[in-house]
Amino acid sequence: AQKVTQAQTEISVVEKEDVTLDCVYETRDTTYYLFWYKQPPSGELVFLIRRNSFDEQNEISGRYSWNFQKSTSSFNFTITASQVVDSAVYFCALSESGNNRLAFGKGNQVVVIP
Amino acid sequence: DTGVSQNPRHKITKRGQNVTFRCDPISEHNRLYWYRQTLGQGPEFLTYFQNEAQLEKSRLLSDRFSAERPKGSFSTLEIQRTEQGDSAMYLCASSPTSGPVKNEQFFGPGTRLTVL
Repeated sequence: AQKVTQAQTEISVVEKEDVTLDCVYETRDTTYYLFWYKQPPSGELVFLIRRNSFDEQNEISGRYSWNFQKSTSSFNFTITASQVVDSAVYFCALSESGNNRLAFGKGNQVVVIP
Repeated sequence: DTGVSQNPRHKITKRGQNVTFRCDPISEHNRLYWYRQTLGQGPEFLTYFQNEAQLEKSRLLSDRFSAERPKGSFSTLEIQRTEQGDSAMYLCASSPTSGPVKNEQFFGPGTRLTVL
């Protein structure tokens, strides 16, 4: 069974600070995909990043970066130099190969204070 | 706008009434998904279609819930004899099965259901 755990906390940061969100996942599959989604107050889920289980290379995309470590089943996400528009709930999600459903964590509420 | 659309955006109903929601996916996407999100939680998978075939249903989808995608385009989700516990945001997503964003799910704005 696929499961995603995010410590469900509200994280407040002052604008321009970095914020890192933790995600731990469980799966029995060797092939799977990990995602981060953003849900602003408007409610629509916005896709941010995706990694597959065979690619542990960590990358930076603009102000977003992620740290994927299979050894600890973690897929952490960092926003660098946060902005007020980053205020939202961020969800980590897992999809196993062979099924198409996303299993989401409970989310992290990020509040960026100007 | 060529994104996923959902109607209505908000629905308020009385307990025991039936409600129906509609989802229009991105036109070239042949997979369509329904999720439910309650306050303070992440979305939970309900069901998904590939074209018109409903291929998977969650245990969350009780017999009061039914989803259809008759022509492989738009989908409807009906809840019969609504209960207060059905109050939630119902999210629809679609994905292609080929191309650079293969299997990436694009979400609609959701339908917020309130059962009084």
